[in-house]
Amino acid sequence: GENVEQHPSTLSVQEGDSAVIKCTYSDSASNYFPWYKQELGKGPQLIIDIRSNVGEKKDQRIAVTLNKTAKHFSLHITETQPEDSAVYFCAASMRSGTSYGKLTFGQGTILTVHP
Amino acid sequence: DTGVSQNPRHKITKRGQNVTFRCDPISEHNRLYWYRQTLGQGPEFLTYFQNEAQLEKSRLLSDRFSAERPKGSFSTLEIQRTEQGDSAMYLCASSLSGNTIYFGEGSWLTVV
Repeated sequence: GENVEQHPSTLSVQEGDSAVIKCTYSDSASNYFPWYKQELGKGPQLIIDIRSNVGEKKDQRIAVTLNKTAKHFSLHITETQPEDSAVYFCAASMRSGTSYGKLTFGQGTILTVHP
Repeated sequence: DTGVSQNPRHKITKRGQNVTFRCDPISEHNRLYWYRQTLGQGPEFLTYFQNEAQLEKSRLLSDRFSAERPKGSFSTLEIQRTEQGDSAMYLCASSLSGNTIYFGEGSWLTVV
């Protein structure tokens, strides 16, 4: 089955700096890659996603890049703010038929943004 | 749209007891998923419904676990004869066909 590796496990930055989180996946059939933000005691919240027919996607301060050949994708947060502090998860899925919802998650990155 | 609703949010139970969690998906979402998340880990897929049909089950879902979605709307996840290893957060999520998957706030289970 799919295996997703995520690095780093913890990331500490100063407010205003950029943060980058990287993930690799094993199954070349995976074609959908969402990123979720999880705050303490809450469920994961989708922040951005990318499909395999696109190499990059941006939404305000957040961007995701995908390298299908190398089977890795990254989350970039620019101009970080203290409220960006949370656990971030990458995930991968094969979008076809009944398998679309079966997300395989990485281990998570604890991001701390210091004021 | 009130989001995915789960209850109870927290449950403490003694080993060997049965527990049931309920999930109300976003209105009109035909797909419903259950995941389990332990401390420091990412969510792990348990099972998936399309309308009332349970289409996929993970090997993590032992025979002590049963999930239902009788009318294609809300779903229940029952754990029988709970064990300490069942302690985790149980997450429900829903989507409209192949679109974005939205998660609920989770139900925390502690087995003592």
